[in-house]
Parts: sequence; C-alpha cells; structure tokens
Amino acid sequence: RKEVEQDPGPFNVPEGATVAFNCTYSNSASQSFFWYRQDCRKEPKLLMSVYSSGNEDGRFTAQLNRASQYISLLIRDSKLSDSATYLCVVRSYNQGGKLIFGQGTELSVKP
Amino acid sequence: DVKVTQSSRYLVKRTGEKVFLECVQDMDHENMFWYRQDPGLGLRLIYFSYDVKMKEKGDIPEGYSVSREKKERFSLILESASTNQTSMYLCASREGGDNSPLHFGNGTRLTVT
Repeated sequence: RKEVEQDPGPFNVPEGATVAFNCTYSNSASQSFFWYRQDCRKEPKLLMSVYSSGNEDGRFTAQLNRASQYISLLIRDSKLSDSATYLCVVRSYNQGGKLIFGQGTELSVKP
Repeated sequence: DVKVTQSSRYLVKRTGEKVFLECVQDMDHENMFWYRQDPGLGLRLIYFSYDVKMKEKGDIPEGYSVSREKKERFSLILESASTNQTSMYLCASREGGDNSPLHFGNGTRLTVT
C-alpha cells in the first residue's frame, strides 16, 4: 500500500462546478498536511496547508480526518484556471520529517 | 518571496557521464531536498539535507550522491549517468518548522542518451 494515495483522475468538470479530491495516508504518526498545485510542465506550488480544524481560502476548503486518515480538498465555483494537477503531501515525524507526495489528481475545467 | 534556483532548465548528457545539478536558495532555509518526477510515479525523494555537510538518503538514492558545502547550495550528482535517470529533477527547500511547506525550483529536465 502506498503511503499517500490519491485518485489520479482525470476529473473533467464544467466551469462553476464543485469538485472534491480525497487523499488517504497510511502512517498514523503523520503530523503535517498540505495541498500543492502543479501546472503542466511547471514546478509544484503550495496551495494551502491543512489544519486539524479545517481551513478555507476563498473557493478552496481543506479538511483533515485523523481518525480515518484522510484529507480532502473542495473547490467551489471552478474556473478554467483551476485546471492543474493537485498533489497531496504528508509529513511524518517518525520518518525523519520527510514529506511524502501522492501521485496527484488531474483536474480539467471545461467551458 | 522564496527563490529556489536550479542552474539548468534542460540538460542532455550521454550515458556514463558525470552530471552535476545545482540548486541555490536565497532564504537561509535549513532543509533542502532533491526529488525526481516521472509520469505515473509522482515525486520521489532522492536525498535531503537538514544542515550544511549533512545528508540523508531518501527513497531512491541509488546512482546519486549529494553535496552541501554551503547552506544555500545543494548539489545532486549522477556519478555515471544512465538512461533510466532521464527525468525531471526538482530541488526544494524549507524552513525547519513543523508546518513549513516546501518551495520548489522550476526543475531540470535531464535526458540521458
């Protein structure tokens, strides 16, 4: 089982749609969680950190469920510019603080 | 803004050559990392460093070595390049705090022929 798993997609949605991505992690000692965005042929960039109480940044909402060991990302009112690959990242202290990446979920927002 | 600079955007090398990939960050970050990214495999950690002259193996260190003589610079070395090392290489840095995110360079696309 992979340490961090994501649905690879692609998710094809129309503009204005709400889309949700899930990510599961296997290490219960995981402590820090992030969502990154990667545009085609570009480097990953931090989208948002994920806090225990959940957090929101504009149209983006991140949730953490420690009991079930998953995090989620909700995008409301999708824009064409949201088309990208979304990477789930987990940091576990008992692995020397390494950050482990999921394989990414591809999102394509269509007009 | 944090700036992580990788010396080359595209690189073509021959099998058996020694290859140096350079990475410099300008934010005095303690931690630096080298990843490779391949289709279907995602980002995989090659080596990382928590401080000057310190290095730790990641998940796929075979065929690679690293050097961190100065805090701002982290070099990835392919001692004898092979075709299976053709990949996108991404350098990243972060502060030492628990929730500090990674900041990536724009990547080096290495082709080994």
